[in-house]
Amino acid sequence: SQTIHQWPATLVQPVGSPLSLECTVEGTSNPNLYWYRQAAGRGLQLLFYSVGIGQISSEVPQNLSASRPQDRQFILSSKKLLLSDSGFYLCAWRAPGQGSNYGYTFGSGTRLTVV
Amino acid sequence: AQSVTQLGSHVSVSEGALVLLRCNYSSSVPPYLFWYVQYPNQGLQLLLKYTSAATLVKGINGFEAEFKKSETSFHLTKPSAHMSDAAEYFCAVIQTGANNLFFGTGTRLTVIP
Repeated sequence: SQTIHQWPATLVQPVGSPLSLECTVEGTSNPNLYWYRQAAGRGLQLLFYSVGIGQISSEVPQNLSASRPQDRQFILSSKKLLLSDSGFYLCAWRAPGQGSNYGYTFGSGTRLTVV
Repeated sequence: AQSVTQLGSHVSVSEGALVLLRCNYSSSVPPYLFWYVQYPNQGLQLLLKYTSAATLVKGINGFEAEFKKSETSFHLTKPSAHMSDAAEYFCAVIQTGANNLFFGTGTRLTVIP
């Protein structure tokens, strides 16, 4: 069966420090991968998605970047964190060939607090 | 452009009462629609989805939702609330072939014993 892993679960980082959040999917090949952010009192906002190794699409301009160095690995990064980067970050995946009607499967999330 | 509106950021019901969480979508063509549930500090779990088959969709944990094209709505209901239903619920929409699942701002459900 397929599973998705995110780590760390919680993270407290000072302003100006770098960030690296990792997401991996097991049990499938060439998944579509997504990073969402959930800010306090707001819905989920799609940050990046990837349909293959090295292929990254950015949905909104921001202080973050994403990379996909391996087929089932998706990394969210920042060189210098801002207070506004605080939030709950969720990784999601969809199997290749599945249509939009399948929806996404989400990981358990990372709670990031920038202080 | 598409969007989702969830009326009521907080809903409180008594245990055993009807749960009704509202969702309206804005889309030029009928999209695919989803309801997800999020428990504190956890990821999102799919409750149910509408994919242009039956307009009344049944999901997990006794929830169901009805797609009404004329009202552009996809409201979530459960006949009898249980304490374990307390969570945040998100409505989401996506178009065919798209890669952006748009979410509403969520509704936090509180169940009063």
